[in-house]
Amino acid sequence: DAKTTQPNSMESNEEEPVHLPCNHSTISGTDYIHWYRQLPSQGPEYVIHGLTSNVNNRMASLAIAEDRKSSTLILHRATLRDAAVYYCILRDPHNNNDMRFGAGTRLTVKP
Amino acid sequence: DAGVIQSPRHEVTEMGQEVTLRCKPISGHDYLFWYRQTMMRGLELLIYFNNNVPIDDSGMPEDRFSAKMPNASFSTLKIQPSEPRDSAVYFCASSLEFGAGGTGELFFGEGSRLTVL
Repeated sequence: DAKTTQPNSMESNEEEPVHLPCNHSTISGTDYIHWYRQLPSQGPEYVIHGLTSNVNNRMASLAIAEDRKSSTLILHRATLRDAAVYYCILRDPHNNNDMRFGAGTRLTVKP
Repeated sequence: DAGVIQSPRHEVTEMGQEVTLRCKPISGHDYLFWYRQTMMRGLELLIYFNNNVPIDDSGMPEDRFSAKMPNASFSTLKIQPSEPRDSAVYFCASSLEFGAGGTGELFFGEGSRLTVL
């Protein structure tokens, strides 16, 4: 019962922006949208999260659709070190506050 | 802080042997998660604890798997008896209470790579 859907893979050129989409049409009002990434041979690491408004941090930006049924993780200038699997996850802190990962999007960055 | 610490980093054992994986969460974190990652199944949530109490263990594959958290600074994941299909990377993660001034961000350890021959 997948709560989010993401493309299996995407490619980007180095130093270009990357837009990673995520669909979550069954999102509930209390679900937060989290993004994590997993670099090769490492554990996942937090990237960003949001509820309704767009969010920016030093790693990325998160654009959330007005109806919250989709979101986009934006890497403003991809580097080779951004090559990873990116996971979009819904997490409800008020109900079953777990964190279940889907298959994610494997991002390849070409020099 | 040293981050989430897992041991051993690598374990090779024979089928039928008992395996114990250990995790020390970040001090002050009140959530602890155990995940398993394989090529076939991806990253699976096995069990998670809140304040040392197991909240959801529906991801634990079968009775051969058990997890404990005797105190806030230590957790174990035990497999007895181990089987070749248990070969995977096991990750432990911890987080602070979501909403209580924390983002609910999960901090992962480096993982324990288990090979069962």
